[in-house]
Amino acid sequence: DVKVTQSSRYLVKRTGEKVFLECVQDMDHENMFWYRQDPGLGLRLIYFSYDVKMKEKGDIPEGYSVSREKKERFSLILESASTNQTSMYLCASISSQGQETQYFGPGTRLLVL
Amino acid sequence: AQSVTQPDIHITVSEGASLELRCNYSYGATPYLFWYVQSPGQGLQLLLKYFSGDTLVQGIKGFEAEFKRSQSSFNLRKPSVHWSDAAEYFCAVGALTGTASKLTFGTGTRLQVTL
Repeated sequence: DVKVTQSSRYLVKRTGEKVFLECVQDMDHENMFWYRQDPGLGLRLIYFSYDVKMKEKGDIPEGYSVSREKKERFSLILESASTNQTSMYLCASISSQGQETQYFGPGTRLLVL
Repeated sequence: AQSVTQPDIHITVSEGASLELRCNYSYGATPYLFWYVQSPGQGLQLLLKYFSGDTLVQGIKGFEAEFKRSQSSFNLRKPSVHWSDAAEYFCAVGALTGTASKLTFGTGTRLQVTL
Protein backbone atom coordinates (compact mmCIF):
# COMPACT_ATOMS: atom_id res chain seq x y z
CA ASP A 1 0.00 0.00 0.00
CA VAL A 2 1.41 3.35 -1.03
CA LYS A 3 2.23 5.75 1.71
CA VAL A 4 3.04 9.43 2.07
CA THR A 5 3.56 10.55 5.64
CA GLN A 6 3.94 14.00 7.12
CA SER A 7 5.76 14.59 10.36
CA SER A 8 3.01 16.49 12.14
CA ARG A 9 -0.76 16.71 11.80
CA TYR A 10 -0.99 19.94 13.78
CA LEU A 11 1.63 22.56 14.49
CA VAL A 12 1.53 25.87 16.36
CA LYS A 13 4.39 28.31 15.89
CA ARG A 14 5.11 31.94 16.66
CA THR A 15 5.77 34.70 14.16
CA GLY A 16 9.43 34.77 13.15
CA GLU A 17 10.15 31.15 14.04
CA LYS A 18 11.84 28.84 11.55
CA VAL A 19 9.49 25.98 10.73
CA PHE A 20 10.28 22.62 9.16
CA LEU A 21 7.60 20.43 7.63
CA GLU A 22 8.75 16.95 6.73
CA CYS A 23 7.33 14.57 4.16
CA VAL A 24 8.38 10.99 3.53
CA GLN A 25 7.21 8.60 0.81
CA ASP A 26 7.91 4.90 0.58
CA MET A 27 7.14 4.39 -3.11
CA ASP A 28 10.55 5.30 -4.55
CA HIS A 29 8.94 8.18 -6.44
CA GLU A 30 11.13 10.67 -8.23
CA ASN A 31 8.75 13.63 -7.97
CA MET A 32 7.53 15.27 -4.79
CA PHE A 33 5.37 18.33 -4.22
CA TRP A 34 4.34 20.76 -1.52
CA TYR A 35 0.94 22.46 -1.70
CA ARG A 36 -0.92 24.76 0.61
CA GLN A 37 -4.67 24.56 0.90
CA ASP A 38 -6.83 27.50 1.90
CA PRO A 39 -10.63 27.78 1.93
CA GLY A 40 -11.95 29.06 -1.36
CA LEU A 41 -8.54 28.85 -3.03
CA GLY A 42 -8.11 25.11 -3.43
CA LEU A 43 -4.60 23.71 -3.52
CA ARG A 44 -1.75 25.87 -4.70
CA LEU A 45 1.68 24.53 -5.57
CA ILE A 46 4.55 25.95 -3.51
CA TYR A 47 7.56 23.93 -4.71
CA PHE A 48 8.28 20.64 -6.35
CA SER A 49 11.27 18.39 -6.82
CA TYR A 50 11.89 15.93 -9.63
CA ASP A 51 15.09 14.44 -8.26
CA VAL A 52 17.38 14.50 -5.26
CA LYS A 53 18.79 17.99 -4.73
CA MET A 54 16.63 19.32 -7.59
CA LYS A 55 13.81 21.78 -6.98
CA GLU A 56 11.59 24.12 -8.90
CA LYS A 57 9.33 26.92 -7.81
CA GLY A 58 5.63 26.43 -8.02
CA ASP A 59 2.99 29.11 -8.15
CA ILE A 60 3.48 30.61 -4.68
CA PRO A 61 7.11 30.06 -3.54
CA GLU A 62 7.57 33.38 -1.71
CA GLY A 63 8.42 32.89 1.95
CA TYR A 64 9.24 29.21 1.53
CA SER A 65 12.23 27.06 0.68
CA VAL A 66 12.65 23.30 0.28
CA SER A 67 15.24 20.63 0.72
CA ARG A 68 15.57 17.20 -0.87
CA GLU A 69 18.69 15.44 0.32
CA LYS A 70 17.27 11.93 -0.03
CA LYS A 71 14.86 10.55 -2.57
CA GLU A 72 12.21 9.62 -0.03
CA ARG A 73 12.21 12.88 1.93
CA PHE A 74 11.09 16.37 0.94
CA SER A 75 11.15 19.17 3.47
CA LEU A 76 9.34 22.49 3.38
CA ILE A 77 10.97 25.32 5.30
CA LEU A 78 9.42 28.55 6.47
CA GLU A 79 12.50 30.67 7.20
CA SER A 80 10.57 33.21 9.28
CA ALA A 81 6.98 32.21 9.82
CA SER A 82 4.28 34.84 9.37
CA THR A 83 0.59 34.79 10.23
CA ASN A 84 -0.38 34.67 6.55
CA GLN A 85 1.32 31.29 6.35
CA THR A 86 -1.31 29.78 8.62
CA SER A 87 -2.72 27.08 6.41
CA MET A 88 -3.04 23.37 5.65
CA TYR A 89 0.08 21.99 3.97
CA LEU A 90 -0.13 18.90 1.81
CA CYS A 91 2.72 16.84 0.45
CA ALA A 92 2.39 14.60 -2.60
CA SER A 93 4.56 12.30 -4.64
CA ILE A 94 4.38 10.68 -8.05
CA SER A 95 6.47 8.39 -10.17
CA SER A 96 7.92 9.80 -13.37
CA GLN A 97 6.99 6.61 -15.21
CA GLY A 98 4.12 7.07 -17.63
CA GLN A 99 0.59 7.91 -16.65
CA GLU A 100 0.78 7.91 -12.91
CA THR A 101 -1.16 9.40 -10.04
CA GLN A 102 -0.13 11.83 -7.34
CA TYR A 103 -0.45 10.37 -3.86
CA PHE A 104 -1.08 12.73 -0.98
CA GLY A 105 -0.14 12.77 2.65
CA PRO A 106 -2.69 13.52 5.40
CA GLY A 107 -1.66 17.16 5.67
CA THR A 108 -0.18 19.40 8.36
CA ARG A 109 -2.37 22.14 9.75
CA LEU A 110 -0.07 25.01 10.72
CA LEU A 111 -1.14 27.88 12.93
CA VAL A 112 1.23 30.85 13.17
CA LEU A 113 0.49 33.15 16.09
CA ALA B 1 -1.12 28.24 -18.37
CA GLN B 2 -3.63 25.64 -17.33
CA SER B 3 -6.57 26.40 -15.07
CA VAL B 4 -9.57 24.64 -13.55
CA THR B 5 -12.96 26.08 -12.67
CA GLN B 6 -15.39 24.44 -10.29
CA PRO B 7 -18.37 26.78 -10.42
CA ASP B 8 -20.23 25.30 -7.46
CA ILE B 9 -18.71 26.09 -4.07
CA HIS B 10 -21.30 24.14 -2.10
CA ILE B 11 -23.91 21.57 -3.10
CA THR B 12 -26.53 19.84 -0.97
CA VAL B 13 -28.26 16.66 -2.11
CA SER B 14 -30.51 14.14 -0.41
CA GLU B 15 -29.23 10.66 0.22
CA GLY B 16 -30.20 8.45 -2.70
CA ALA B 17 -30.39 11.34 -5.15
CA SER B 18 -28.12 11.65 -8.15
CA LEU B 19 -25.11 13.94 -8.16
CA GLU B 20 -23.21 15.91 -10.75
CA LEU B 21 -20.24 18.11 -9.88
CA ARG B 22 -19.04 20.42 -12.59
CA CYS B 23 -15.48 20.98 -13.73
CA ASN B 24 -14.19 23.07 -16.62
CA TYR B 25 -10.55 23.25 -17.56
CA SER B 26 -8.30 25.32 -19.73
CA TYR B 27 -5.26 23.67 -21.24
CA GLY B 28 -3.53 23.96 -24.60
CA ALA B 29 -2.93 20.28 -25.23
CA THR B 30 -4.64 17.04 -24.38
CA PRO B 31 -5.14 17.22 -20.65
CA TYR B 32 -4.66 14.72 -17.92
CA LEU B 33 -7.73 15.11 -15.69
CA PHE B 34 -8.37 13.99 -12.15
CA TRP B 35 -11.00 14.04 -9.45
CA TYR B 36 -9.92 13.85 -5.82
CA VAL B 37 -12.01 13.68 -2.67
CA GLN B 38 -11.04 15.02 0.74
CA SER B 39 -12.88 13.98 3.88
CA PRO B 40 -12.65 16.28 6.89
CA GLY B 41 -9.16 16.32 8.38
CA GLN B 42 -7.81 13.99 5.72
CA GLY B 43 -5.52 14.17 2.73
CA LEU B 44 -6.73 13.82 -0.84
CA GLN B 45 -7.81 10.50 -2.26
CA LEU B 46 -7.98 9.85 -5.99
CA LEU B 47 -11.47 9.03 -7.26
CA LEU B 48 -10.67 8.66 -10.94
CA LYS B 49 -8.45 9.91 -13.71
CA TYR B 50 -8.49 10.43 -17.47
CA PHE B 51 -5.41 10.22 -19.63
CA SER B 52 -6.70 9.02 -22.99
CA GLY B 53 -9.10 6.57 -24.61
CA ASP B 54 -12.67 6.08 -23.48
CA THR B 55 -14.10 9.43 -22.47
CA LEU B 56 -16.32 7.90 -19.77
CA VAL B 57 -14.15 6.98 -16.83
CA GLN B 58 -15.17 4.79 -13.92
CA GLY B 59 -13.73 5.38 -10.50
CA ILE B 60 -13.97 4.17 -6.95
CA LYS B 61 -17.02 4.42 -4.69
CA GLY B 62 -19.41 4.31 -7.67
CA PHE B 63 -18.26 7.60 -9.22
CA GLU B 64 -17.79 8.24 -12.91
CA ALA B 65 -16.74 11.21 -15.01
CA GLU B 66 -17.06 12.11 -18.65
CA PHE B 67 -14.44 14.01 -20.62
CA LYS B 68 -15.99 16.33 -23.18
CA ARG B 69 -13.31 18.02 -25.23
CA SER B 70 -15.78 20.29 -27.08
CA GLN B 71 -16.99 21.72 -23.76
CA SER B 72 -13.64 21.55 -21.94
CA SER B 73 -15.43 19.75 -19.16
CA PHE B 74 -14.86 16.77 -16.92
CA ASN B 75 -17.96 16.49 -14.76
CA LEU B 76 -18.19 13.99 -11.92
CA ARG B 77 -21.37 11.95 -11.46
CA LYS B 78 -22.86 9.41 -9.12
CA PRO B 79 -26.32 7.91 -9.62
CA SER B 80 -27.18 7.53 -5.93
CA VAL B 81 -25.39 9.46 -3.21
CA HIS B 82 -24.65 7.96 0.21
CA TRP B 83 -24.29 9.96 3.42
CA SER B 84 -20.61 8.94 3.54
CA ASP B 85 -20.01 10.85 0.28
CA ALA B 86 -20.18 14.15 2.17
CA ALA B 87 -16.74 15.67 1.59
CA GLU B 88 -14.91 18.20 -0.52
CA TYR B 89 -14.23 17.33 -4.14
CA PHE B 90 -11.41 18.71 -6.23
CA CYS B 91 -10.96 18.58 -9.97
CA ALA B 92 -7.41 18.88 -11.30
CA VAL B 93 -5.67 19.12 -14.64
CA GLY B 94 -2.17 17.77 -15.10
CA ALA B 95 0.70 18.79 -17.33
CA LEU B 96 4.10 17.31 -17.84
CA THR B 97 6.86 19.72 -16.86
CA GLY B 98 10.21 18.20 -17.55
CA THR B 99 9.88 14.85 -15.88
CA ALA B 100 7.41 16.03 -13.28
CA SER B 101 3.66 15.90 -13.57
CA LYS B 102 2.26 19.14 -12.14
CA LEU B 103 -1.36 19.44 -11.15
CA THR B 104 -3.49 22.55 -11.13
CA PHE B 105 -6.50 22.26 -8.85
CA GLY B 106 -9.89 23.86 -8.85
CA THR B 107 -11.13 25.60 -5.73
CA GLY B 108 -13.23 22.63 -4.71
CA THR B 109 -16.92 21.80 -4.22
CA ARG B 110 -18.17 20.93 -0.78
CA LEU B 111 -20.88 18.28 -0.85
CA GLN B 112 -23.42 18.05 1.92
CA VAL B 113 -25.76 15.04 2.06
CA THR B 114 -29.07 15.27 3.87
CA LEU B 115 -30.78 12.18 5.23
